[in-house]
Amino acid sequence: NAGVTQTPKFQVLKTGQSMTLQCAQDMNHEYMSWYRQDPGMGLRLIHYSVGAGITDQGEVPNGYNVSRSTTEDFPLRLLSAAPSQTSVYFCASSRGGPQSSTQYFGPGTRLLVL
Amino acid sequence: KNEVEQSPQNLTAQEGEFITINCSYSVGISALHWLQQHPGGGIVSLFMLSSGKKKHGRLIATINIQEKHSSLHITASHPRDSAVYICAVRGKTSGSRLTFGEGTQLTVNP
Repeated sequence: NAGVTQTPKFQVLKTGQSMTLQCAQDMNHEYMSWYRQDPGMGLRLIHYSVGAGITDQGEVPNGYNVSRSTTEDFPLRLLSAAPSQTSVYFCASSRGGPQSSTQYFGPGTRLLVL
Repeated sequence: KNEVEQSPQNLTAQEGEFITINCSYSVGISALHWLQQHPGGGIVSLFMLSSGKKKHGRLIATINIQEKHSSLHITASHPRDSAVYICAVRGKTSGSRLTFGEGTQLTVNP
């Protein structure tokens, strides 16, 4: 099993550009989530999904969209990139929610917005 | 005050030392996670616990629900244990969300 994969590993964007961060898992996990990690702060939840077709907002959802058309994939879209979105983004998955299941993290995507 | 506080923020140890990292939280929780973030950035789950104690190899995690406190212990530390250790909690009223501490940077010198 590949586990949780993320692409790209690194991306540079100009302000106002849009892009999609890809996340896929091959463990048939129902729960998937996107986090951002910034210096001096803990990981913060952007959006999450409890199954195909179901998504919900996390702590910092503004400027990001998600969809979950399949169990395997959970892409994160930046609609109009801003320098404040410079961060490292992690995708995670688990069989159930964090109240009951081990979380599996992808390797991360480092995003720089100029 | 953050919901999840870790101490210390930074810890330097000599190889072989016993290490303790602490996590305090301010809300009622249904689960607490300990994670390890490698120098290259990857994050690995170490433990998930809701009561008592768990052990895996040289790592031991304990939790005291009444005191809202958890500890991660590393016995016979090794330079390869150098990483950031992160505590995260799932609050009883926070749905499917985890709240993360800022992490503890551990450096183990040979």
